[in-house]
Amino acid sequence: SYVLTQPPSVSVAPGKTARITCGGNNIGSKSVHWYQQKPGQAPVLVIYYDSDRPSGIPERFSGSNSGNTATLTISRVEAGDEADYYCQVWDSSSDHPVVFGGGTKLTVL
Amino acid sequence: QLQLQESGPGLVKPSETLSLTCTVSGGSISSSSYYWGWIRQPPGKGLEWIGSIYYSGSTYYNPSLKSRVTISVDTSKNQFSLKLSSVTAADTAVYYCASTALDYYYGMDVWGQGTTVTVSS
Repeated sequence: SYVLTQPPSVSVAPGKTARITCGGNNIGSKSVHWYQQKPGQAPVLVIYYDSDRPSGIPERFSGSNSGNTATLTISRVEAGDEADYYCQVWDSSSDHPVVFGGGTKLTVL
Repeated sequence: QLQLQESGPGLVKPSETLSLTCTVSGGSISSSSYYWGWIRQPPGKGLEWIGSIYYSGSTYYNPSLKSRVTISVDTSKNQFSLKLSSVTAADTAVYYCASTALDYYYGMDVWGQGTTVTVSS
């Protein structure tokens, strides 16, 4: 089945830019979604269809997807952005249509 | 505003069947705009997709769980359910239900709060 690879952890200072990658074979041909999960809470969709933001998600969150890597970018990082982030794809042509990445812990220094 | 709420036993014995229900409010489970799915998260670990169902009854299951999983829809109660048979301690996890929105290109836009299920005798 399809595999999505994320770095286990990323650290960033407040006010700087965090980039979290999600690697997969030809992931650029798929729609990638990103979720934020804070401790003890359910995941929240922050980016869908590679780069679109649901209503209520700050413009500081953006996404891109090309080749074998999708990237979630968080600009002007705040302490409240500290969380786990997961990428996900849906491929209805696969026998395993929904795949999550292993998750990345974002630490705000 | 769509809302989802999981319910079911918090403790299940090994070899028995785990049964959970997700109640949908603020929208119809018969909507053609959504898939309805289950995702779990073992303690300290990442998200694992269990399976999804469309209002038509079409189901998609994680191949690693397929032999033990059944997801169904009850349109009269606006609910969908998960049954996982022959559970072991490895099935201990927080179980989430979520809607997958076609308008969001199959992103999971609404999640329940999650329910903790422990498998233990």
